[in-house]
Amino acid sequence: GESVGLHLPTLSVQEGDNSIINCAYSNSASDYFIWYKQESGKGPQFIIDIRSNMDKRQGQRVTVLLNKTVKHLSLQIAATQPGDSAVYFCAENSLYGGSQGNLIFGKGTKLSVKP
Amino acid sequence: DGGITQSPKYLFRKEGQNVTLSCEQNLNHDAMYWYRQDPGQGLRLIYYSQIVNDFQKGDIAEGYSVSREKKESFPLTVTSAQKNPTAFYLCASNDRGGNQPQHFGDGTRLSIL
Repeated sequence: GESVGLHLPTLSVQEGDNSIINCAYSNSASDYFIWYKQESGKGPQFIIDIRSNMDKRQGQRVTVLLNKTVKHLSLQIAATQPGDSAVYFCAENSLYGGSQGNLIFGKGTKLSVKP
Repeated sequence: DGGITQSPKYLFRKEGQNVTLSCEQNLNHDAMYWYRQDPGQGLRLIYYSQIVNDFQKGDIAEGYSVSREKKESFPLTVTSAQKNPTAFYLCASNDRGGNQPQHFGDGTRLSIL
């Protein structure tokens, strides 16, 4: 079956360093991926998305890389700040019948930024 | 500002009671979703609706019910049949047509008295 998972459940980085959060997906036919940030007690916040016709997409201090060969997605955060501390989820689109447009979420990686 | 509003933020349920969680959006989105989040877990889909007056079961629909009478509103009822309702409930919406990010509310935390 299809699944979305993460290599590392927790990540601790020093303020100012770059962070890399990884995600593996199993459905090679998935063509849309999203990264979300969730702070404690709040709903997930959209960070960045990427379609399968791209390998890389950049936003403000964030970059998403997609490697379709090994079905791997990563989120890079440059110059990590204390405000980046949160749980980060990746999600892929569901391609099955009437559920198109739905997302399948991974379990999340908790990022802790040390001052 | 446009967004998704969930209420209440905290809710307590007594044994045998049904409770209803509210979700309202002013983003003019056609599709709306309800998820359940347990500690250390990802989001699991309860119900979704891609258009008014139509909705579909997600992966864990048992013990829950929804309605979609208006485009802006997608309330979720947690019935007494749901034996383990304690969780964080999240509502989301997006445009139809696939490959659109879902936008989330700030959730309702439901606990058992």
